[in-house]
Order: sequence, then structure tokens, then C-alpha cells
Amino acid sequence: GESVGLHLPTLSVQEGDNSIINCAYSNSASDYFIWYKQESGKGPQFIIDIRSNMDKRQGQRVTVLLNKTVKHLSLQIAATQPGDSAVYFCAENINDYKLSFGAGTTVTVRA
Amino acid sequence: ETGVTQSPTHLIKTRGQQVTLRCSSQSGHNTVSWYQQALGQGPQFIFQYYREEENGRGNFPPRFSGLQFPNYSSELNVNALELDDSALYLCASSLVGEGTQYFGPGTRLLVL
Repeated sequence: GESVGLHLPTLSVQEGDNSIINCAYSNSASDYFIWYKQESGKGPQFIIDIRSNMDKRQGQRVTVLLNKTVKHLSLQIAATQPGDSAVYFCAENINDYKLSFGAGTTVTVRA
Repeated sequence: ETGVTQSPTHLIKTRGQQVTLRCSSQSGHNTVSWYQQALGQGPQFIFQYYREEENGRGNFPPRFSGLQFPNYSSELNVNALELDDSALYLCASSLVGEGTQYFGPGTRLLVL
């Protein structure tokens, strides 16, 4: 079936450390994935995306890795800051119109 | 911040009533999608509109309906409200064929 899930519901990280958020998906035909950040009281905010013809993509302080063999993707945040505290979702684009979200990982940054 | 706006920000209704939520797309986008996000959950796809027609639908009953207008703005209508309809309703816009969708701030609906 089609589903996107995150490995851990919560992640606590020390300010300045790197964060790694994981996500597993089940549809081997999926070809496009997006990471979103959602702060309290706000809508999901686009962070970075990756297509299945890539295995790595970098943005500003973020890197997404895609392992199609084990159907796994991860979001790495470098030098985590207090402003990175939020819920992070991976989403799978299905049939070019529907995004399928997992339940999310809540990241808390410790000062 | 995206250019997607939604109104109202909060709404309280009673069971059995009807509600209309509104969304304005980001400039240049031609599709609008609606999602329902229950507390502590990820957003669930309701439907998408393109060229003023429904372009795909999730697992939601017919009492959830929508409209898209020529200026690409959109409405979500929910009839016969149930307590479980209490959620954050998110609107997202995109260009057809491009996978990335950009979300608005949402409308928080409480059904009593």
C-alpha cells in the first residue's frame, strides 16, 4: 500500500548538534518526496524535496538522503538552532496531485 | 511565508451545521488542495481542484465538497458537521504537474 511513516515521534537535540530525522515509505513506485516543517499554530512549511533519480540533495543547513533500496529517506539539519524546534513531516507525492504524510517527528532543541 | 491565505483563522460550529472555509492561492499557481489535520496527526488529503473541477479525492464522504473560482481561489464546504470534523483545515496551492505544494496557515474548526 501507500504510506509514509517516521521512525520516531520525538527527537531531543542539543543546540549546535546535528539532527537526523528518518522516514520510511512503502510504495516503491513513489518518485517524489518532500520534507515540511510545521511550527505551532502554523501550516506546513516547505523545507526541501528530492526526486527518485537522486540520492542526495542539499539546501541551506539541510540535507535529504534517499535510499530507494530500503525505501528510506532522512532529513539532516546541521548545527541545530532553537528556531528548528517544530514538527517535521515527510510527504510522498502520489499520482502527481496527492501528498501522503506520516504522523511527524517533534524536534525539541535544548539550550 | 507562502502567498497562500486562508479565512477565517478560527471557527466554532455546532454538530449538524454547515461551514465554508476559504483559500486564496499563491500568485501563479493553478491548483488548490485541501487537507484535514487532526491534533497530533499528519495532514490527510481531502481533494484537489484544477480548472475549477475536482482533480482527485481522498477518503472523505460527499458532505465534504469544494469549489475553485476563475481566480484560482477556493472554498471547502462541509455539511452536517460531526464532532470528529474538529481539526485544522489546510489549503495548499501548486502548479499542475509540479509535486511541491505550498500551504496556508490553516483554519482551526471546532465542532461542539
